[in-house]
Amino acid sequence: EVVMTQSPASLSVSPGERAILSCRASQNINNNLAWYQQKPGQAPRLLIYGAATRATGIPVRFSGSGSGTEFTLTIDSLQSEDFAVYYCQPYNDWPPWTFGQGTKVEIK
Amino acid sequence: QVHLEESGGGLVEPGGSLRLSCAASEFTFTNYYMGWIRQAPEKGLEWISFLSSSGKTVYYADSVRGRFTTSRDNAKNSVYLQMNSLRVEDTAIYYCARAPPYSIGYPTGYFDLWGRGTPVTVSS
Repeated sequence: EVVMTQSPASLSVSPGERAILSCRASQNINNNLAWYQQKPGQAPRLLIYGAATRATGIPVRFSGSGSGTEFTLTIDSLQSEDFAVYYCQPYNDWPPWTFGQGTKVEIK
Repeated sequence: QVHLEESGGGLVEPGGSLRLSCAASEFTFTNYYMGWIRQAPEKGLEWISFLSSSGKTVYYADSVRGRFTTSRDNAKNSVYLQMNSLRVEDTAIYYCARAPPYSIGYPTGYFDLWGRGTPVTVSS
């Protein structure tokens, strides 16, 4: 089972600045990685799949990169609605799958 | 409107049972594998099951295997989670989600549509 480690656990960012979130896999998962955003009281929302492909309706300020074991989610020019918790999820091969523990992006 | 809606959550005593339902709307349900993911209070996301489009193949997390059973009724566009021998640590919001197909009969493993979740509380 692939173990995902997200860093940092929390990140304080001013509106308009860039946030960079990391996710490390315990083994090679190629580009089989998704990123989700979750706001308080809401279900998660898919942001990125295939490590770098934005899901339908996701603004271009969200971008994903990486392959193998190291992945990054970048949020350019943070908007107020972007303050949330972000999770990564590997989906190489068949289950089980373990989500990363999450990175909370807070207003600075 | 493309939609998933869970129901059936509630309060149950330890050792009890509960059956969750998830109704799908406005998409071709039979094209999709379906997953259940839960989130304990103030915790992260935990994948717990993944069910093939036919319902014949299912995967479970170790934490629920042998206690939980996932099934689907494609005629009703619904997926179910039967939860038996519930424990306090099963307390969570339970989400159903769909995984888009990679090719016919073969899924991706990410979840592009989620329901709003249904809360389950296991307590005496």
